[in-house]
Amino acid sequence: SQELEQSPQSLIVQEGKNLTINCTSSKTLYGLYWYKQKYGEGLIFLMMLQKGGEEKSHEKITAKLDEKKQQSSLHITASQPSHAGIYLCGAHKGGNQFYFGTGTSLTVIP
Amino acid sequence: GAVVSQHPSWVICKSGTSVKIECRSLDFQATTMFWYRQFPKQSLMLMATSNEGSKATYEQGVEKDKFLINHASLTLSTLTVTSAHPEDSSFYICSARREGTNTEAFFGQGTRLTVV
Repeated sequence: SQELEQSPQSLIVQEGKNLTINCTSSKTLYGLYWYKQKYGEGLIFLMMLQKGGEEKSHEKITAKLDEKKQQSSLHITASQPSHAGIYLCGAHKGGNQFYFGTGTSLTVIP
Repeated sequence: GAVVSQHPSWVICKSGTSVKIECRSLDFQATTMFWYRQFPKQSLMLMATSNEGSKATYEQGVEKDKFLINHASLTLSTLTVTSAHPEDSSFYICSARREGTNTEAFFGQGTRLTVV
């Protein structure tokens, strides 16, 4: 079951614009992962957040995990067409199972 | 980093036949592997947890007789789609995780299955 809700579901932005994707959990997260993917292709690991308040950056992508560890945001600065794809957050649940968020489809218009 | 290899990367099969997909952890042992399914424009849905030496654990709504999982060794899990139908056409991806808590999961490259 999907227990990680992402918003928005889809996003279309003009090249150069900033954007934010959110991932919300009903339970405390013990490690939140962000991936990028295109349908039919493998996952590209972006970053992992574990500590409340933690923030990490990779090139023009920044992700934060809120203090209560129940929400994470992914922010892209000055978006480019190469940023287009599906963004997925993911987290472990209970034992070993790893679940993905509902996904956000990003389109960047040149 | 750890590598998970999935094979084949794509397969086309006739309706009614069975298809086997392999997932291998190349440089670490994985007592647990996971199988996901993805439809176009949707997220990845966990299908089942593959446990080495024991039965797989299936998520609610996933037919265990349809999707047979075998985890015969610490580096190999297989997913067999039995009596495939066009609605089984999808992108299937596996993952494996090193032992320990809160460790990163490593994903295979995925398999695009088309049933005609």
